[in-house]
Amino acid sequence: GAVVSQHPSWVICKSGTSVKIECRSLDFQATTMFWYRQFPKQSLMLMATSNEGSKATYEQGVEKDKFLINHASLTLSTLTVTSAHPEDSSFYICSARLHSGSTHEQYFGPGTRLTVT
Amino acid sequence: AQRVTQPEKLLSVFKGAPVELKCNYSYSGSPELFWYVQYSRQRLQLLLRHISRESIKGFTADLNKGETSFHLKKPFAQEEDSAMYYCALGAGNMLTFGGGTRLMVKP
Repeated sequence: GAVVSQHPSWVICKSGTSVKIECRSLDFQATTMFWYRQFPKQSLMLMATSNEGSKATYEQGVEKDKFLINHASLTLSTLTVTSAHPEDSSFYICSARLHSGSTHEQYFGPGTRLTVT
Repeated sequence: AQRVTQPEKLLSVFKGAPVELKCNYSYSGSPELFWYVQYSRQRLQLLLRHISRESIKGFTADLNKGETSFHLKKPFAQEEDSAMYYCALGAGNMLTFGGGTRLMVKP
């Protein structure tokens, strides 16, 4: 149980275009999902916390107008990278937190590799 | 603010040798600590959480509040243990990750 999927697994786009990444909890409901960014050989950096039915909470330094997050249902959160630039190329990982159990235990998606040309 | 430090980026040991991956944290409250592992080409997955005091795949970790540490240990490393290991602290509404340690177990 507690499986999180992401789609697509990789995407290549041109500068100036927008890209949407989906994160789904497949067998549980997740009131809270998280979006991370991981650069090569570096740790995960939290970008934002996505709460179902409310606005996302962004970490310091993350542009909310550039990284649009929508958490419309208990099983789906989306991250849209708007007007993408090459420096946005990265590995984006989402996670979902179980409503019950450990308050901080998160289940991670496989990640989406974004390459902006 | 909370912080998690993993001082070693790379740890290389021979099969059968003991392993200790270090993790130190700073947090003013009562922490909830985890170890996550990422095998090659796989997603991040939970290995251990301090509240359950369990042993998974032979790994154990003890929370030492005096030293603010949560080191991960295994008495006899196996080749299949080679992976990236991340220590994480849960506080507020989020997890804060350490920089990660790559464990390489040589045959």
